[in-house]
Amino acid sequence: RKEVEQDPGPFNVPEGATVAFNCTYSNSASQSFFWYRQDCRKEPKLLMSVYSSGNEDGRFTAQLNRASQYISLLIRDSKLSDSATYLCVVNGNDYKLSFGAGTTVTVRA
Amino acid sequence: EAGVTQFPSHSVIEKGQTVTLRCDPISGHDNLYWYRRVMGKEIKFLLHFVKESKQDESGMPNNRFLAERTGGTYSTLKVQPAELEDSGVYFCASSHGSPGELFFGEGSRLTVL
Repeated sequence: RKEVEQDPGPFNVPEGATVAFNCTYSNSASQSFFWYRQDCRKEPKLLMSVYSSGNEDGRFTAQLNRASQYISLLIRDSKLSDSATYLCVVNGNDYKLSFGAGTTVTVRA
Repeated sequence: EAGVTQFPSHSVIEKGQTVTLRCDPISGHDNLYWYRRVMGKEIKFLLHFVKESKQDESGMPNNRFLAERTGGTYSTLKVQPAELEDSGVYFCASSHGSPGELFFGEGSRLTVL
């Protein structure tokens, strides 16, 4: 079983739409959680950390459900520039990060 | 401030040859990581340096891979001899503290023919 599983998508949405997707993780001892964004053939970049109480950063909202071991990301008012692959990332009590394979989002005009 | 830089951006070699990848982390970042993405798979951890010390190399695939970080600045990852399954994108990342807040380089794409 993979440590982090994501729906690969793609999610094709029009500008202005809301898109949401989840990931699940297998290690119940995981301590911290993140969403990274990766543009085609570029490096991953930290989008936001995910806190237990849920958190928002502009149009992006992240939620964590420890009981069910899943993390979600919601993007409101989608922009063309939001088109990317979103990587769900989980960290145990060490310095190793476990990455999901990514969810591809395409925002169309 | 310069980000994490990696060289070369792309390397094409034949099976059995040797390749050395280099990473220059962000200045002042003690933590340096190597990750790898094989085509169609997720990004996987290879190893972690704190300054010049290897903290965790549990992700290194086998003894054909050797990473160094002499002097605690730049790091090299050598693959010798390269095999076909070593093809992929090798990412270097650095951080000041938090293990989840990494700054990645653009990666070195390795193709082994």
